[in-house]
Amino acid sequence: QKEVEQDPGPLSVPEGAIVSLNCTYSNSAFQYFMWYRQYSRKGPELLMYTYSSGNKEDGRFTAQVDKSSKYISLFIRDSQPSDSATYLCAMSLEGAQKLVFGQGTRLTINP
Amino acid sequence: DTAVSQTPKYLVTQMGNDKSIKCEQNLGHDTMYWYKQDSKKFLKIMFSYNNKELIINETVPNRFSPKSPDKAHLNLHINSLELGDSAVYFCASSQLFEAFFGQGTRLTVV
Repeated sequence: QKEVEQDPGPLSVPEGAIVSLNCTYSNSAFQYFMWYRQYSRKGPELLMYTYSSGNKEDGRFTAQVDKSSKYISLFIRDSQPSDSATYLCAMSLEGAQKLVFGQGTRLTINP
Repeated sequence: DTAVSQTPKYLVTQMGNDKSIKCEQNLGHDTMYWYKQDSKKFLKIMFSYNNKELIINETVPNRFSPKSPDKAHLNLHINSLELGDSAVYFCASSQLFEAFFGQGTRLTVV
């Protein structure tokens, strides 16, 4: 069993829809939770990060962490075709210098 | 101005050859990494260096040898390339927990 599980999709939604992306994890010691966006043939770029539990909002993006359920989510409101990419969740232990990634969910927003 | 840059972007080579990938970061970060992304997009850490010192080696075959001449550079040398080494290799750097990635080197072994 992988430490971080993420449905690879693909996920296809119409423009303007609300998108929900999720990851589950098994290591309860994870403290830092991140979402990366990766366009085709590019490197991952950091979208958002959260420390411990709670919500964080940045424009159309909201990240949620539920440590009791070992479940994290990324919501994208008013989705745009430019949001089409692979979204990877990543996690880290306190003081650890490596990220553990989910497999990534391939998202397509249709105009 | 590119924050994390790696060269080459593409590398096609025959089995058994030796090749190197170079990485440089201008963010002033103390920690640099090599990650491998397989065909299913799964991204996994290979090595981590902090101030030129190796701190993480995730059971990578000995054919892979990283080298950090200074904290802004981390190179990866691969000996005796195998078909299974075909993947995209990403260099990254960080100061705290979040990592900034290069554009990747797509390695194809034929």
